[in-house]
Amino acid sequence: DAGVIQSPRHEVTEMGQEVTLRCKPISGHDYLFWYRQTMMRGLELLIYFNNNVPIDDSGMPEDRFSAKMPNASFSTLKIQPSEPRDSAVYFCASSYPAGGPETQYFGPGTRLLVL
Amino acid sequence: AQSVTQPDIHITVSEGASLELRCNYSYGATPYLFWYVQSPGQGLQLLLKYFSGDTLVQGIKGFEAEFKRSQSSFNLRKPSVHWSDAAEYFCAVAPSGAGSYQLTFGKGTKLSVIP
Repeated sequence: DAGVIQSPRHEVTEMGQEVTLRCKPISGHDYLFWYRQTMMRGLELLIYFNNNVPIDDSGMPEDRFSAKMPNASFSTLKIQPSEPRDSAVYFCASSYPAGGPETQYFGPGTRLLVL
Repeated sequence: AQSVTQPDIHITVSEGASLELRCNYSYGATPYLFWYVQSPGQGLQLLLKYFSGDTLVQGIKGFEAEFKRSQSSFNLRKPSVHWSDAAEYFCAVAPSGAGSYQLTFGKGTKLSVIP
């Protein structure tokens, strides 16, 4: 299995621009999670989906952030407009029922820098 | 709400020496407990997890962890460290029972290994 795939791996953009991060979960996994990692706050859960439906988005920092999962094999996290404080590493993770939703498999992350 | 404390930000050990990374959690009941490892530029990989039963759990790469309810701790150990173990280690908790999808991570402990 290819594991969780994220793109791009690195993104540099200017403040005010729209940023779209992409994730392909492991085939057969029906939970998908988006995390943000910063030095100050560590790893934070932003949102998670079950069977393509958003279950809890209480971790999404503000309305500038949105996430979608149009089908079982693709999800996006969008920031519009981006700000320098959004600079972080964004991880996507997926899991499957037999392994328990707690057993999450992480992608390599997208390193975002907003200038 | 649950929380996780990893009191050591950075630990340096010599190759071949034993290792113990500390983790303390705060939660009203016995949570699900996890240790993840993150190599530079990579996503997180699950080392081991505790749900119930035997309080000493074995994981991958020769790691083990012991759950101590009285101390609210879940320390990670390895008897002999290899240079390839240099990475950042994260302890995480999730509420036990149904709906336990939200992992709360500690801030991490960075491990350096001296040849």
